[in-house]
Amino acid sequence: DAKTTQPDSMESTEGETVHLPCSHATISGNEYIYWYRQVPLQGPEYVTHGLQQNTTNSMAFLAIASDRKSSTLILPHVSLRDAAVYHCILRGNQGGSAKLIFGEGTKLTVSS
Amino acid sequence: GGIITQTPKFLIGQEGQKLTLKCQQNFNHDTMYWYRQDSGKGLRLIYYSITENDLQKGDLSEGYDASREKKSSFSLTVTSAQKNEMAVFLCASSHWGGFYEQYFGPGTRLTVL
Repeated sequence: DAKTTQPDSMESTEGETVHLPCSHATISGNEYIYWYRQVPLQGPEYVTHGLQQNTTNSMAFLAIASDRKSSTLILPHVSLRDAAVYHCILRGNQGGSAKLIFGEGTKLTVSS
Repeated sequence: GGIITQTPKFLIGQEGQKLTLKCQQNFNHDTMYWYRQDSGKGLRLIYYSITENDLQKGDLSEGYDASREKKSSFSLTVTSAQKNEMAVFLCASSHWGGFYEQYFGPGTRLTVL
């Protein structure tokens, strides 16, 4: 399974727009890019996902490079509730590719 | 909407003990998963079940058994708890297919004395 690389941590201030990068140089054609976030003592929470096109929802904007070797999760106007570990994950769409392969993610700290 | 319920929330066991964790979902999802998370680490897949009566091994299946009793429930058994083991076991569910997101339960926190 292809791997992702993320910075260990990032810091921000309430109201800022945060860009969380993810590198996935060996991504294969059928792999989706998923983002989850997790706060202590809770299970991961789905944020967004995409295959090739940029996507947007109420939580975030996902920008995917044209070669798909990297992506950026953009969190507009972050609040204290957005402080979490953000995981960038690749997930296949066939057979045993059901699993999500979590790395250690990026710990986002938000200060007031 | 829906919810995933995991029982118990906290589990304390003894070395060598057989321990069972339970998971229920009311999303009507086909597929259910069990992951293990060690402190400060990412998740590792133990077992998953594509549909009722199906069982597939993940990367960490040794030392565990699983059972998909019905569509809404998926159990995980630690066959022999290891001394000083501490981990969080997370259950998730989704429709089958890589384009469907997985929803997670709150986890069962295991401590082995």
